[in-house]
Amino acid sequence: TQLLEQSPQFLSIQEGENLTVYCNSSSVFSSLQWYRQEPGEGPVLLVTVVTGGEVKKLKRLTFQFGDARKDSSLHITAAQPGDTGLYLCAGANRDDKIIFGKGTRLHILP
Amino acid sequence: DTAVSQTPKYLVTQMGNDKSIKCEQNLGHDTMYWYKQDSKKFLKIMFSYNNKELIINETVPNRFSPKSPDKAHLNLHINSLELGDSAVYFCASSQGSKGYTFGSGTRLTVV
Repeated sequence: TQLLEQSPQFLSIQEGENLTVYCNSSSVFSSLQWYRQEPGEGPVLLVTVVTGGEVKKLKRLTFQFGDARKDSSLHITAAQPGDTGLYLCAGANRDDKIIFGKGTRLHILP
Repeated sequence: DTAVSQTPKYLVTQMGNDKSIKCEQNLGHDTMYWYKQDSKKFLKIMFSYNNKELIINETVPNRFSPKSPDKAHLNLHINSLELGDSAVYFCASSQGSKGYTFGSGTRLTVV
């Protein structure tokens, strides 16, 4: 069974600090996605990474796919209160079946 | 202009009742899904429909039955509701492996 482990589960930091959250698996994925979910809403797709070692940037967010396509990280520079939310990673296998990690709850303190 | 819309947003009902949740997408996506998110925020897939054909059924009790009248709609009917069915249910759609577009969820509370 494919599993995605996200760490940390919870993270509370001050505005302006940098942070990294991780998504790890023992399985290889054909692609990996990151979503952000705010209270009362559905997850919103942030990025999809496909190639091992790929790095994508979305303003202050930097996403990296591991070389072996088993893990990924999300780095946020100078965190803002608007970054608060639940960050979910999701891995797709060759059949396009997607599994989700349990998420990292991020809280940025003003 | 909402991409994936599901109704109702909130649903409170008694044990044993039958209820339906509706979902519509206007993105032209081929595949639609139902996910269940529990109190710990874990998202678990329930059903997937591709061009009106069921392609995944992840060991969901047969009290849950998806109905897809056309490519743009996927409804979820639940019979004999139980307390453990309380959760947030999300509809989503996708095209290939480009990622999902989710609805805003239906919070189901069974009392």
